Amino acid sequence: DIQMTQSPSSLSASVGDRVTMTCRASHSINKYLNWYQQKSGKAPKLLIFFASSLRSGVASRFSGSGSGTEFTLTISSLQPEDFATYYCQQSYTTPRTFGQGTRVEIK
Amino acid sequence: QVTLRESGPALLKPTETLTLTCSFSGFSLNTSGVSVNWIRQPPGKALEWLARIDWDDTKYYDTSLETRLAISKDTSKNQVVLTLTNIYPVDAATYYCAREMATIVDFWGQGTMVTVSS
Repeated sequence: DIQMTQSPSSLSASVGDRVTMTCRASHSINKYLNWYQQKSGKAPKLLIFFASSLRSGVASRFSGSGSGTEFTLTISSLQPEDFATYYCQQSYTTPRTFGQGTRVEIK
Repeated sequence: QVTLRESGPALLKPTETLTLTCSFSGFSLNTSGVSVNWIRQPPGKALEWLARIDWDDTKYYDTSLETRLAISKDTSKNQVVLTLTNIYPVDAATYYCAREMATIVDFWGQGTMVTVSS
């Protein structure tokens, strides 16, 4: 199985900050990497697919990059509604696997 | 408009079998490239992928749970059913179903919470 490791596990930031988080795969997954946002008590929402493609309707301050084993999600200017937990998931092979999440908290 | 909704028991006793139904609309599981996944999330923990069924009835399971899991579909009813046998307290979680199209898991149900207690 491919293991997905996210870092950091949590971060504190202020509104307007640029925020970056990382997801690493234990084997190359090409660009088959999705990013999700999950707010407390809600289902995850897809933000980014194929590592860098922004889902329609998602704010352009979200961006993704990377390929192979290392990937990054960046929020260019953090907004109040962005405080949530972010998960990466590989869709290169089954079993599909998720990272452990990065929680973005208010500083 | 794509929607998915999970349904099933909220409370089970240890050793019982959990049966969950995902009822969906806005897409067909007869369409090439379409799949439905089951994913769960224990309280306060990360997402865990459980199983997937493809449009052609190919099935995939989490390695550690595959002896206890079964997934099936009823395309006439637009439903996918997941069973988890011999349930333990560690199986307590919110269970989600989600559509996958061309490797992108794009739409999720709201989730259904399952508690395991004697």
